[in-house]
Amino acid sequence: DTGVSQDPRHKITKRGQNVTFRCDPISEHNRLYWYRQTLGQGPEFLTYFQNEAQLEKSRLLSDRFSAERPKGSFSTLEIQRTEQGDSAMYLCASSLWGLQIPATNEKLFFGSGTQLSVL
Amino acid sequence: AQSVTQLGSHVSVSEGALVLLRCNYSSSVPPYLFWYVQYPNQGLQLLLKYTSAATLVKGINGFEAEFKKSETSFHLTKPSAHMSDAAEYFCAVRAAGGTSYGKLTFGQGTILTVHP
Repeated sequence: DTGVSQDPRHKITKRGQNVTFRCDPISEHNRLYWYRQTLGQGPEFLTYFQNEAQLEKSRLLSDRFSAERPKGSFSTLEIQRTEQGDSAMYLCASSLWGLQIPATNEKLFFGSGTQLSVL
Repeated sequence: AQSVTQLGSHVSVSEGALVLLRCNYSSSVPPYLFWYVQYPNQGLQLLLKYTSAATLVKGINGFEAEFKKSETSFHLTKPSAHMSDAAEYFCAVRAAGGTSYGKLTFGQGTILTVHP
């Protein structure tokens, strides 16, 4: 168990550029979550996948944001035409879910995040 | 909609003193409540959770929290603070709707400082 990995740790970009982040979950985990955390605030839910299916998206996830998990393993989060308001820490978390696991036992394991700064 | 409010963005205690971090929730349904801790340059880590079983929940590192429905509170306590407890703490509630217990609504966070 190497934990949840996120790459890169830091990303600085200019307004209008596209950026892509990667998240590698714990290997046997079938659920993967994306959260966003701005300075002085708690994390906010963006979206989650169960295997390769994106099951829910927050209204925070505008059309400029797209997340994928093509093979049910790693996930990418792309932001197109970045804006200064996109500056935040993007957090990924994974969990193991299954019919044999009580729903209330679902436990999130978070990565260290990708810090995005849009200039 | 479910929400949590953490009272106090910064709390400072002496080593060995009681730690009390406050969290109040708002929920239209019986809530599932969590406390997470975030150490510098590390991911969020689950401290403890309340899922409608015992109202006094014990977590890792000597922390515990008590669910009080009458006060809509879920305060986090530790009898004796250690220097290693210095971190940011987040209260969270399971968001309404869906089947996921990983979709959470977090409070704003409380930074705990422990001084010698």
